[in-house]
Amino acid sequence: AQSVTQLDSQVPVFEEAPVELRCNYSSSVSVYLFWYVQYPNQGLQLLLKYLSGSTLVKGINGFEAEFNKSQTSFHLRKPSVHISDTAEYFCAARRGSQGNLIFGKGTKLSVKP
Amino acid sequence: DTGVSQNPRHKITKRGQNVTFRCDPISEHNRLYWYRQTLGQGPEFLTYFQNEAQLEKSRLLSDRFSAERPKGSFSTLEIQRTEQGDSAMYLCASSLADGELFFGEGSRLTVL
Repeated sequence: AQSVTQLDSQVPVFEEAPVELRCNYSSSVSVYLFWYVQYPNQGLQLLLKYLSGSTLVKGINGFEAEFNKSQTSFHLRKPSVHISDTAEYFCAARRGSQGNLIFGKGTKLSVKP
Repeated sequence: DTGVSQNPRHKITKRGQNVTFRCDPISEHNRLYWYRQTLGQGPEFLTYFQNEAQLEKSRLLSDRFSAERPKGSFSTLEIQRTEQGDSAMYLCASSLADGELFFGEGSRLTVL
């Protein structure tokens, strides 16, 4: 069965520092990969997605992620975080274009001044 | 606001009561999804519709749960004989075919 693992439940970081949120997926078939962000009391918002093509994907708010097929990873990165990036981040995978999204358990990013 | 709308946003009920949540998707979206999110977990898939047809249901969707999308527009999720374990945030999302999912803000259920 397809699964998504987010290795860190919480990541504290200081403002303007770089951050990496880790995500690994398990699937024997091609998958589409996504990162969503959830701010307090708000719905999930798509940050970026990998469908095919270039393995480095750029998203909104300065985030990017790299698809690594050999390591089955899709880690999310930002070179310099802001206080406003404090939120919960979810990695998700979808098998092909027809399947539903399978989410990881989420990583809470806490940016401190 | 043309996003996905869910109501009620919060529902507190006693164990054994029935509850119903409504989701209004983005108007031109033909797919509608229901997810459940509990504390410390990511959203878990419950079911999805393409137009009015319910195409997939998760094993999480017990026989106390029923979802409908009668005219291919809004959807309802009913939970009968609620249990404390049903306490969660119920999320609705919609999409165009295999496009990006747009999520609503969720309906939080508390079962006492």
